Amino acid sequence: SQQGEEDPQALSIQEGENATMNCSYKTSINNLQWYRQNSGRGLVHLILIRSNEREKHSGRLRVTLDTSKKSSSLLITASRAADTASYFCATDANRYSSASKIIFGSGTRLSIRP
Amino acid sequence: EPEVTQTPSHQVTQMGQEVILRCVPISNHLYFYWYRQILGQKVEFLVSFYNNEISEKSEIFDDQFSVERPDGSNFTLKIRSTKLEDSAMYFCASTRALGGNTIYFGEGSWLTVV
Repeated sequence: SQQGEEDPQALSIQEGENATMNCSYKTSINNLQWYRQNSGRGLVHLILIRSNEREKHSGRLRVTLDTSKKSSSLLITASRAADTASYFCATDANRYSSASKIIFGSGTRLSIRP
Repeated sequence: EPEVTQTPSHQVTQMGQEVILRCVPISNHLYFYWYRQILGQKVEFLVSFYNNEISEKSEIFDDQFSVERPDGSNFTLKIRSTKLEDSAMYFCASTRALGGNTIYFGEGSWLTVV
């Protein structure tokens, strides 16, 4: 399976601190995406990193990808209460399918304490 | 910003009834997906759709499920005879092209089977 698995499953930090979430996967990928989900809501796309990229930034988000270790990390700097959500990585490894699907990991539940 | 829209946001149905969940993907997108998320669990792939046919489906997508693109804008998921275990959040998603493009998700349709 190419499923990503996030680590830790749950993370609670103080507002203003940095939050780091990790994702590991099993097979070679074309790209990896990170999504956020507020409780009971939809999946909001955060960032996509391609297999030939090592790092990407978007605002307070920094994503790294290490294909040799089959892992990715999402760093949220200067966390805010509004960052409280579940974060999922999703991998795309399809090379021959006519409609690449992405497969989600089990997610990290991030709680920001005021 | 264009978005994937889904209706209804919440539906309660009796076991054995047929349900149709509707989605309007982003207008210039060509690849469409349905995923589901049982409460507290990970997001699971159901089916992908391209060029008016199913590209890939998961084991979950059995004969009780079907998808259709009845016109140029809607993309529907039908569950023919609902079971209790079909209770979940169903997400529609779309992407413009393969090869590292973001897959955008709707807000989801909560289905409760009683």
